[in-house]
Amino acid sequence: EIVMTQSPATLSVSPGERATLSCRASQSIRTDLAWFQQKPGQAPRLLIYSASTRAAGIPARFSGSGSGTDFTLTISSLQSEDFAVYYCQQYNIWPPEGTFGQGTKVEIK
Amino acid sequence: EVQLVESGGGVVRPGGSLRLSCAASGFTFDDFGMTWVRQAPGKGLEWVSGTNWNGGSTGYTGSVKGRFTISRNNAKNSLYLQMDSLRVEDTALYYCVRGQGLSPFDYWGQGALVIVSS
Repeated sequence: EIVMTQSPATLSVSPGERATLSCRASQSIRTDLAWFQQKPGQAPRLLIYSASTRAAGIPARFSGSGSGTDFTLTISSLQSEDFAVYYCQQYNIWPPEGTFGQGTKVEIK
Repeated sequence: EVQLVESGGGVVRPGGSLRLSCAASGFTFDDFGMTWVRQAPGKGLEWVSGTNWNGGSTGYTGSVKGRFTISRNNAKNSLYLQMDSLRVEDTALYYCVRGQGLSPFDYWGQGALVIVSS
């Protein structure tokens, strides 16, 4: 089982500032990593796949990087609608037990 | 437009059963593996079960093995999750998701709420 660890658990950021979220895999997953955004009362939404490719309709202020075991999601200039919980997901191993990180909550500072 | 609509959630006693359904539209259903992901109240996301395009390859998280069964009917564009011997800790919102687990989970339904309580 691959363990996905996200940090920090909570990130306090002011609107307009940059947010940097981390996700670490317990073993190499190449670039088989996705990022999701979840707002209260909503289903998760795919932001990034293949570690760095934005999904359709995702603004350019969201970017992903990394490979192997260490990954980063960067939100270049936080907008009010970006305050949410973000999850990473690996899809390198089947079955994907433990596929999700525990989440990072981005809150208003 | 891709749509995934879950149904079948509800309140059940410990030891009881429920069957979740997911109606898919807007894409060629049998081109994709499908997955169930759950989220307990106030908690994170947990992969529950997944199936490949024809149901020939399935997987389950350890805590539901032997109790839950995933299946699909490609002629009806539908995914199912039969949940038996339900436990209080199975209480969660269950999402139907496109993708098997060797690909990103790109579309999600709105979820079906399952509450297991005496």
